[in-house]
Amino acid sequence: DTAVSQTPKYLVTQMGNDKSIKCEQNLGHDTMYWYKQDSKKFLKIMFSYNNKELIINETVPNRFSPKSPDKAHLNLHINSLELGDSAVYFCASGPPTGLKETQYFGPGTRLLVL
Amino acid sequence: QKEVEQDPGPLSVPEGAIVSLNCTYSNSAFQYFMWYRQYSRKGPELLMYTYSSGNKEDGRFTAQVDKSSKYISLFIRDSQPSDSATYLCAMSAPGGSYIPTFGRGTSLIVHP
Repeated sequence: DTAVSQTPKYLVTQMGNDKSIKCEQNLGHDTMYWYKQDSKKFLKIMFSYNNKELIINETVPNRFSPKSPDKAHLNLHINSLELGDSAVYFCASGPPTGLKETQYFGPGTRLLVL
Repeated sequence: QKEVEQDPGPLSVPEGAIVSLNCTYSNSAFQYFMWYRQYSRKGPELLMYTYSSGNKEDGRFTAQVDKSSKYISLFIRDSQPSDSATYLCAMSAPGGSYIPTFGRGTSLIVHP
């Protein structure tokens, strides 16, 4: 069983389009995250949600809007896509107790904006 | 200077070699140290977790933290071609948001 799943795996789209990426975790975790990994492999936090509530919003353009319908899902909607948005986007979740600093990552969504 | 520095490599070694991967950091508040392994086109997966200073061993992997030097290491003994991946260090401070700061990863290639 996949612990953290993302769809789609690949996304190729034109500049200016709006797209969404879905994420689901079946680990029973309370906290979910979105990360962006650029071409140089830097992994940067974008958003963090705890029990459906936004707790961290790093310096991310407001074209990016996360939505958490329940604590097992955290979707990412991107408006007016730009060339610089091309990257790999990872969803992750973290346990509510114990090793809270550890993260469980999804397989990533490779976004290419043309 | 970035908070966490990690040489991107690639580091190429023959099968069976002992591999040493390292990170340096500048934030003395970091207490939790992690190593993640990321295979090509996959998400990172947690490999090792260490709190504060000292060593931790798990099979062929040993994580070492030297807080006085702000330096952490991951050693891989008897390296295998299946160890070929990018290894990311990550660290965080207590009392915060639990979101770690990641290094950029070191690409390791173990050739048969």
